[in-house]
Amino acid sequence: KNEVEQSPQNLTAQEGEFITINCSYSVGISALHWLQQHPGGGIVSLFMLSSGKKKHGRLIATINIQEKHSSLHITASHPRDSAVYICAVNKGTSYDKVIFGPGTSLSVIP
Amino acid sequence: EPEVTQTPSHQVTQMGQEVILRCVPISNHLYFYWYRQILGQKVEFLVSFYNNEISEKSEIFDDQFSVERPDGSNFTLKIRSTKLEDSAMYFCASRGGSYYEQYFGPGTRLTVT
Repeated sequence: KNEVEQSPQNLTAQEGEFITINCSYSVGISALHWLQQHPGGGIVSLFMLSSGKKKHGRLIATINIQEKHSSLHITASHPRDSAVYICAVNKGTSYDKVIFGPGTSLSVIP
Repeated sequence: EPEVTQTPSHQVTQMGQEVILRCVPISNHLYFYWYRQILGQKVEFLVSFYNNEISEKSEIFDDQFSVERPDGSNFTLKIRSTKLEDSAMYFCASRGGSYYEQYFGPGTRLTVT
């Protein structure tokens, strides 16, 4: 069983819709990351969090440590948000070894 | 804005050959990483490097792999004798301190024929 799971696997949304991507993990962690992978392959770090909530522009990330669950929300989605969104965790107390989820492929249609 | 760079962007090599993938991390960063992503699969951790030594490595990082920071700016991944299954995108990343996010390079696509 994967230590980091994401849902949905694929998501298609209309421009302007509110989007939620979920991540659950089965191990103890020191931090959780949300990453964006563009169609060309490049990876950009969106958030790193270990508790609570963070907001950056139209993106919001939350984490519930007790439930081992995190969500990434995108408000007022735009076609340029189309990408693969990856949840990843630092396992245990390590800030080095990162375990990646399978990714959620998001397509936002105009 | 500072960024992690990687060269080459695409490397084609024959099975059994040695390859060196190069990365230039962000200049004041202390922690360095290599990851790989086989086409259609998730990203996998290979190795982390701090203070001129490996701090953690995965089961994938066997004796055919090695890392080096030869000159204080470059960070390299060497694959000694490439196999077909080494074909993947290899990402370098760096971070500045204990509680800082990682910055990823654009990746090197390695194709082993």
